Parts: sequence; structure tokens; C-alpha cells
Amino acid sequence: EVQLVESGGGLVQPGGSLRLSCSTSGFTFSNFEMNWVRQAPGKGPEWVSNISGSGSSVDYADSVKGRFTISRDNAKNSLYLQMNTLRAEDTAVYYCARSGEYYGSGSFHKAFDTWGQGTMVTVSS
Amino acid sequence: DIHMTQSPSSLSASVGDRVTITCRASQSINKYLNWYQKKPGKAPKFLIYGASSLRSGVPLRFSGSGSGTDFTLTISSLQPEDFATYYCQQSYSSSFTFGPGTKVDIK
Repeated sequence: EVQLVESGGGLVQPGGSLRLSCSTSGFTFSNFEMNWVRQAPGKGPEWVSNISGSGSSVDYADSVKGRFTISRDNAKNSLYLQMNTLRAEDTAVYYCARSGEYYGSGSFHKAFDTWGQGTMVTVSS
Repeated sequence: DIHMTQSPSSLSASVGDRVTITCRASQSINKYLNWYQKKPGKAPKFLIYGASSLRSGVPLRFSGSGSGTDFTLTISSLQPEDFATYYCQQSYSSSFTFGPGTKVDIK
């Protein structure tokens, strides 16, 4: 069974740092692009960052670029998100999610096919 | 960035009802549209990709349609386990933006 388990969330003051982890099992981790997605209270989800299976390619949402760093350790089947200079607007549940490619309607489509349960990050003084 | 909207924001329905949720993109996204289901305290569940292709294992009462900017998710006969919030997501651009969600609750 594919499983993703996030950890590392908590309460942090504005300007502070936090490191999230996502431990995975049940699939060949290095074969899959991985993502961080967050959901603020009462809002829709927001894609934050992704990293290729090898770790050689990363991308970020403009809202976190320069403050957050995504990384992975394929030997440990784990994904990470280093969050620096945190702001109140970063308060959200953070999910790790696996990217899958699916063929339909004549082309390949990327989707977040497996998600963890999430870890809460609260940025407040 | 591509902006996604959904309507209605919430709806009340009974078991057995036919339910339709609309999603609109701010620009054409062809058929690069996914749907997810979210229940409180649970991980989001991926339902539909390519606007209309059902993920393996998803019940056939779920269906999706649309292309360009306008899309719909239909549940043909609502079941007790379908009460949840549904989100659309575009995969046309790498910002992977989601809609604000449609909450389906019990009438």
C-alpha cells in the first residue's frame, strides 16, 4: 500500500524557520516526482513546490520562491521542505503528494495521485 | 497564473440525488483538468484526470466533462460516502492551481 506520512509542523513565530518531512512507503520513491501542497483554513489547496525523481529539477510557487527549499533523500524514501522567513500567510496544512502521469483524452495528464494526511503549520506571534 | 473558480461553493443534497459541480478556468486549459475529493481529517483523493477519465477504482457514478474553460463533475446518484468537498485543478500550467472547492452536504 502506498503511504505518505508528513511530520514537522507546529507553531512558529513570523520570520522563523521550520523543516517538514514526508516519509513514504509502498512504491519506488526515486521513480516519482513529488510535491508539497498546502491548504490554508477555508481556502482551496495551493501547490507549493515539486522535485523530480532524481532531485535534479525543482520548481516553486512564486509565493514561496526564495524562502522555501524542497529536497529529497531517495535512500531514505523521504521528501523535505525547508521553510525560512515564515509569514502569517504561510499558515496552512501542508501535504506531500506524489505526481502521476495518466493517459486520457489523447494526451498525458499529470495529477497528484496520492496524498499524505498533512501536517499543520501555524505562523503566529 | 491560471485562476480557477467553482460553483456553487456549497450545496445540500439527499442520497440518490444527481449532483453537478461546475469549474471554470480563466483561460483555455484544453482538457488538462483534474478533480479531487476531500473529507475532513483525511487525505485528498484523486478522482478524475483529463477532464473526463476516471481513475481506476473510482465508482462509475462519478463522471466529468468539458474542455477549454468550462468543466463539470457529476455524481449520478449521491451516496452517503460522497458527502465531501470537491476541488478542480488545472494541470495545463506548472502552477497547478486549484479551485476554491464545492462542499456537498446532507440536506
